[in-house]
Amino acid sequence: GAGVSQTPSNKVTEKGKYVELRCDPISGHTALYWYRQSLGQGPEFLIYFQGTGAADDSGLPNDRFFAVRPEGSVSTLKIQRTERGDSAVYLCASTRGSGELFFGEGSRLTVL
Amino acid sequence: AQSVTQPDIHITVSEGASLELRCNYSYGATPYLFWYVQSPGQGLQLLLKYFSGDTLVQGIKGFEAEFKRSQSSFNLRKPSVHWSDAAEYFCAVAPSGGYQKVTFGTGTKLQVIP
Repeated sequence: GAGVSQTPSNKVTEKGKYVELRCDPISGHTALYWYRQSLGQGPEFLIYFQGTGAADDSGLPNDRFFAVRPEGSVSTLKIQRTERGDSAVYLCASTRGSGELFFGEGSRLTVL
Repeated sequence: AQSVTQPDIHITVSEGASLELRCNYSYGATPYLFWYVQSPGQGLQLLLKYFSGDTLVQGIKGFEAEFKRSQSSFNLRKPSVHWSDAAEYFCAVAPSGGYQKVTFGTGTKLQVIP
């Protein structure tokens, strides 16, 4: 596609529920990044993939968070047993390399 | 570990005035450096980047930034601000070479007054 696509754009869920956020990167971009942005903060690194494998998952806050990219294109960020503190905008970006990231518009997650 | 500091949370400038947004980084070697802009309701967009070579880099929308190794800084400048520049600006750092973790600062929110 023309740009990075993220779905859903908004997700409201209840505490304790399971959530999936999807990212469709720019065609041909081999690396894909997930960030989390809370109100008034900069993007906080979560994980990035090079191809199908997670090259660096050091930013995942705990084992409730995990992400997959099974075919090296679309990625899904999965959050189990959501907590109110998980509320944020989750950003996805893709790149051809060298750190120049192309971002989607984000998925806003609200945990009630 | 790499890190980025943007000391100014919020800056207000008059339209037509010059602008400088500060960015300091921490990294053991020469990193890749970036400035991104986030307008309300829009995704992050790359303004400019520094990889190597000329320390003064030009970007889109009339922005430029200067890499100063001695000060570990990469400040963003614009000679004359337009009302449409009101947005949040993020400095970012990554290790040089290929695909790497990109770390962002906390951002500077720019307000432009007529």
